[in-house]
Amino acid sequence: QKEVEQDPGPLSVPEGAIVSLNCTYSNSAFQYFMWYRQYSRKGPELLMYTYSSGNKEDGRFTAQVDKSSKYISLFIRDSQPSDSATYLCAIWGNFNKFYFGSGTKLNVKP
Amino acid sequence: EPEVTQTPSHQVTQMGQEVILRCVPISNHLYFYWYRQILGQKVEFLVSFYNNEISEKSEIFDDQFSVERPDGSNFTLKIRSTKLEDSAMYFCASSAQGTYGYTFGSGTRLTVV
Repeated sequence: QKEVEQDPGPLSVPEGAIVSLNCTYSNSAFQYFMWYRQYSRKGPELLMYTYSSGNKEDGRFTAQVDKSSKYISLFIRDSQPSDSATYLCAIWGNFNKFYFGSGTKLNVKP
Repeated sequence: EPEVTQTPSHQVTQMGQEVILRCVPISNHLYFYWYRQILGQKVEFLVSFYNNEISEKSEIFDDQFSVERPDGSNFTLKIRSTKLEDSAMYFCASSAQGTYGYTFGSGTRLTVV
């Protein structure tokens, strides 16, 4: 079983839509959960991170963690064309490294 | 804002040749990493480096790979004899405390022909 599973998409939505991006993970010992945004030919850029179960908001972005289900989500409200990118979930497990999801490619159409 | 700088942005090399990918981490960071991303696939951990030695490496990081911090600013990844399957984006990252607060560079696209 892979450490992190993520639906690769692509996901295409109209501007203003609410976007939901999701990942599941296998190891209940995983502690820190991150969402990265990656534009084409660029390195991953940290969007949000959270430690505990529950929601964390930052502007139009909400990260949600459900440790009992080993399920993490990123919601984007009022999506904009500039949000078009690949979104990677990443989990900091142990031994000083990340486990990345495969990334979901999002396209927000004007 | 401080950033991790990688050079070159794109390198083309012949199979069997040695390549060195270069990174300048953020100046006060102590932990350094290399990740790679084969086109269309996920970002994969290669190696972490702290206190002038490898702290962990993945199964991908075999004897063909090595890392070095030759001076106070650079962090390099060397591939001794490149294979076609080494073609990928290679990302360097650094962090201050070895936690999740990584900063990634923009990557070097390596194409092995």
